[in-house]
Amino acid sequence: GESVGLHLPTLSVQEGDNSIINCAYSNSASDYFIWYKQESGKGPQFIIDIRSNMDKRQGQRVTVLLNKTVKHLSLQIAATQPGDSAVYFCAESSNRDDKIIFGKGTRLHILP
Amino acid sequence: NAGVTQTPKFRILKIGQSMTLQCTQDMNHNYMYWYRQDPGMGLKLIYYSVGAGITDKGEVPNGYNVSRSTTEDFPLRLLSAAPSQTSVYFCASSYSWTGAYEQYFGPGTRLMVT
Repeated sequence: GESVGLHLPTLSVQEGDNSIINCAYSNSASDYFIWYKQESGKGPQFIIDIRSNMDKRQGQRVTVLLNKTVKHLSLQIAATQPGDSAVYFCAESSNRDDKIIFGKGTRLHILP
Repeated sequence: NAGVTQTPKFRILKIGQSMTLQCTQDMNHNYMYWYRQDPGMGLKLIYYSVGAGITDKGEVPNGYNVSRSTTEDFPLRLLSAAPSQTSVYFCASSYSWTGAYEQYFGPGTRLMVT
């Protein structure tokens, strides 16, 4: 069936380095993708989104890249800080769908 | 605005008991959602609503029921608790369809069924 998945369950990054979190999706009809951050004991929080007519979108310290050819999504966090420690989820939605599908999540661990 | 609020924060149920998880949003959002999150896993959609009086099943609706009598409230009812329903439950809302509008999540309800 259709699914959204992640390559790595845990990612450890040195403080100050850049982080790259990857996500694969299989539904070719998906045209809207979202990255969420979930801190321990809290609900997911929207970080950044991208539509299928774009390859790249930048926010504050975060960049999302979309490769539709290989159905791959990535989240880049620049100059990773201790506050970036969390689980990151990618999610997908299709055109005018009423719901989104979440991937499994990647835990980002910041090394001092 | 308080955003999305959920009660209770934590609950222990015995097998076979029923309970209602409350969710309220004060952002005048049309869309509301219930997800469950099992340990180390992503969120799975249980039920959602696109407006008062309208509800639809998500990926994992069995064992649950919902109602949407007002724009603000979207309670989730566990009909007869089972150990498989031990999870963290998140309520979310958005102004409109998820392809255009951000979802806002509540803090979650941690449920344990023993």
